[in-house]
This record gives sequence, structure tokens and C-alpha cells, in this order.
Amino acid sequence: EVQLLESGGGFIQPGGSLRLSCAASGFTFSNYAMTWVRQAPGKGLEWVSATGGSGFSTYYADSVKGRFTISRDNSKNTLYLQMSSLRADDTAVYYCATTLTTRIGWYWYFDLWGRGTLVTVSS
Amino acid sequence: EIVLTQSPATLSLSPGEGATLSCRASRSVSSYLAWYQQKPGQAPRLLIYDASNRATGIPARFSGSGSGTDFTLTISSLEPEDFAVYFCQQRITWPLTFGGGTKVEIK
Repeated sequence: EVQLLESGGGFIQPGGSLRLSCAASGFTFSNYAMTWVRQAPGKGLEWVSATGGSGFSTYYADSVKGRFTISRDNSKNTLYLQMSSLRADDTAVYYCATTLTTRIGWYWYFDLWGRGTLVTVSS
Repeated sequence: EIVLTQSPATLSLSPGEGATLSCRASRSVSSYLAWYQQKPGQAPRLLIYDASNRATGIPARFSGSGSGTDFTLTISSLEPEDFAVYFCQQRITWPLTFGGGTKVEIK
């Protein structure tokens, strides 16, 4: 079965660090650029970070640049998001997702999504 | 950063009616815009990409149009499962951005 499964969320105090994981199965993980998108409680979607299939190219939203690091281990079919200097406004459900791939090519849209993992930053 | 503004914020309609949702970009995104549907407690689902292409498995009642700065998602006849929140997203430039969403609710 094709799926993504996030883990690593939880309750953390402001200033703390957390690492999220996204385990992929059922497809050739290294062929897909990947992304993290978050959603604060009751709010809309916010793109956080993305990386190419090899992991060499990385992109970040200004709100997390310098604090979050995206990486991947293609041998383990796993995407990561290392989060540090966490703030209350980082509280959200964090989703990982694959980019869209069609017969023509691939695009920075998000096709397969995980169920998300909740990160709560609070004192 | 490209800002995507969706309107209306809420659309109250009955099953069987048509829905028209708008997404306006702060500057041109060419045709590089997608639409997603999200139901409570679920991850978003890709509906439309590059303004007018339906994603795999998306029913024909969903259609997208537009280019430049003005885009529309049309649902021709609402089914009960279509009541949800809809988001647009651009891919023309970093950072990738989403609109604030339109909630389609049962009238």
C-alpha cells in the first residue's frame, strides 16, 4: 500500500527541539521530491519546507528558515524535519507529502499526504 | 511572496447546487495553480493542478479555470461529500503559498 506515516510530534516547551519523521512505503521514495506542510489548529495550510529526490536541494518558508532543517535518508525511505528554537506559533499538525508526478513530469504540488503529527509548543 | 486570496470565506449551498470558488494571486502565477479539498480530521486531497487539470480519480463535476491572477474552481452539482474546505496553492515561485481557504457548507 502506498502511504506516508509521520511520527515524532508531541508537547514541547518554547525554545526546545523536536525531530519529525515521515516513513514512506509502497513507492520508490528516492524518485519523489518531498515537502512538509503544517496547519495550526482551526487555520489554513502553510507550506514549511521541501527537498528534491536526492536531498541536495532544500527550500524553506521564511517563518522557519534558520530554525528548521529538512533532510531525507533514501536508504530508509524516510523524510525528516529537525525543528529547533520552537515557538508557540509553530504549534500545528505537520503533514509530509509527495510532489505530483504525471506522465509528463513532476510538479511542486502535493499528491500523497500522510495523516499528520501534532506538535504543541507551550510552557 | 505571492499572496493568494480566496473568496468567499464561506459558501452556504444545498446539495445539487453549483459552487464557484475564487482564488486571486497578488501577482501572476501563469497557470501554476492547484486546488485541494480538505475534510475535518483529514489531510488535504489534490483536486486540480496547473489551473485546469483534474488529478487522478477526481470526478468530472470538479473543474478549474483561469490564468495569471484570477482562478476559479467550479463544482457543477454538489454531492454530500463535497462539503469541505478548499484551498488553492501556487508553484511558480518560492516560497510556495496557499490561499486561506473557502468553506463550502450545507445550507
